[in-house]
Amino acid sequence: KAGVTQTPRYLIKTRGQQVTLSCSPISGHRSVSWYQQTPGQGLQFLFEYFSETQRNKGNFPGRFSGRQFSNSRSEMNVSTLELGDSALYLCASSLVRGYNEQFFGPGTRLTVL
Amino acid sequence: GESVGLHLPTLSVQEGDNSIINCAYSNSASDYFIWYKQESGKGPQFIIDIRSNMDKRQGQRVTVLLNKTVKHLSLQIAATQPGDSAVYFCAETSGGGADGLTFGKGTHLIIQP
Repeated sequence: KAGVTQTPRYLIKTRGQQVTLSCSPISGHRSVSWYQQTPGQGLQFLFEYFSETQRNKGNFPGRFSGRQFSNSRSEMNVSTLELGDSALYLCASSLVRGYNEQFFGPGTRLTVL
Repeated sequence: GESVGLHLPTLSVQEGDNSIINCAYSNSASDYFIWYKQESGKGPQFIIDIRSNMDKRQGQRVTVLLNKTVKHLSLQIAATQPGDSAVYFCAETSGGGADGLTFGKGTHLIIQP
């Protein structure tokens, strides 16, 4: 069974640009959550999607948005990139809502120059 | 591998010894706690969880202890092996697991041969 896949794995952007990251959950999983990981702030929850609806949102500005498609694949978008957005963005999926059966992908490393 | 924290606390233990990793949380409303393991270059991996109506839970070679009075969580790993070398994070949430996760800063566990 394939794990959570994230594309691209590495990305370099410049300030002011926007970026879209993609996450394909494990087959059959309907819940997808996104996290940001930086050396300074550690791991931080971004948002959770279930059945194409955002169920939870972390404390991030409106520049961070996401969506989930009917096949449970999810995308997150960051507009007007800032240097501080450089981070590892992790996606995790689970069959139903909840964290105890959540599987993480390898992440997308975003570098903002 | 990925750098997950420049100033992570580090715990160095001898192979075969027991490891104890500690975590303090601040939200008295938190009612669900998780420990994750993150190996270099990979996403976090669920280890064990505990609900606030329990003070101890055991898994395979791991035990989580919860002290709600002092808002303290610990992870004990028995007979530490080289494969246990990783960064360990605690995470908390409230609302029975329905809210977003808040993560601790992480502890880097190093296994000495």
